[in-house]
Amino acid sequence: DTEVTQTPKHLVMGMTNKKSLKCEQHMGHRAMYWYKQKAKKPPELMFVYSYEKLSINESVPSRFSPECPNSSLLNLHLHALQPEDSALYLCASSQEPFEGYEQYFGPGTRLTVT
Amino acid sequence: DAKTTQPPSMDCAEGRAANLPCNHSTISGNEYVYWYRQIHSQGPQYIIHGLKNNETNEMASLIITEDRKSSTLILPHATLRDTAVYYCIAMNTDKLIFGTGTRLQVFP
Repeated sequence: DTEVTQTPKHLVMGMTNKKSLKCEQHMGHRAMYWYKQKAKKPPELMFVYSYEKLSINESVPSRFSPECPNSSLLNLHLHALQPEDSALYLCASSQEPFEGYEQYFGPGTRLTVT
Repeated sequence: DAKTTQPPSMDCAEGRAANLPCNHSTISGNEYVYWYRQIHSQGPQYIIHGLKNNETNEMASLIITEDRKSSTLILPHATLRDTAVYYCIAMNTDKLIFGTGTRLQVFP
């Protein structure tokens, strides 16, 4: 099984809402990632979890809060978002958090903030 | 991470080989060259990676020049389903830094 799953596929939320994105992998991978992709732009790294610990935060605003409850699950909690946060949010995983290991991406959650 | 430069777009006839170039003239000795592609509205898909030697898998071949300053991704027999944005990335940490990529259009 080389699949990374993400739920929901689509999410519409107001600026005062609190919602969460979920990502799951059952490949035994020890690194998991969140990326943000705006329309017609390349993906941008947000967070890296290495062995269930946050290892990289690319200066992401605190209204985005990642969580790694166990080695298979990665959440992204959203609160007080702005319309400019509307984007495709991609999750990925890799066997190890190092170079030389390819990342497997999920299909993404398309988020619209109204 | 080294910066990569790719042409913004390319066309290829179905059934022909697609050769996608990438320049990474500032690459350091321990930086891998990765190729991913992204078909419209899907998550990026890993294609291939290499450090120094040429690599081949079931999807593509990767040719890296001896000085490692450039590489070429070869899709040997392009199909319409290979239409996508192709990203070349030089990586030496746990970060993938995507550039703007090459939009490959395969036509019948």
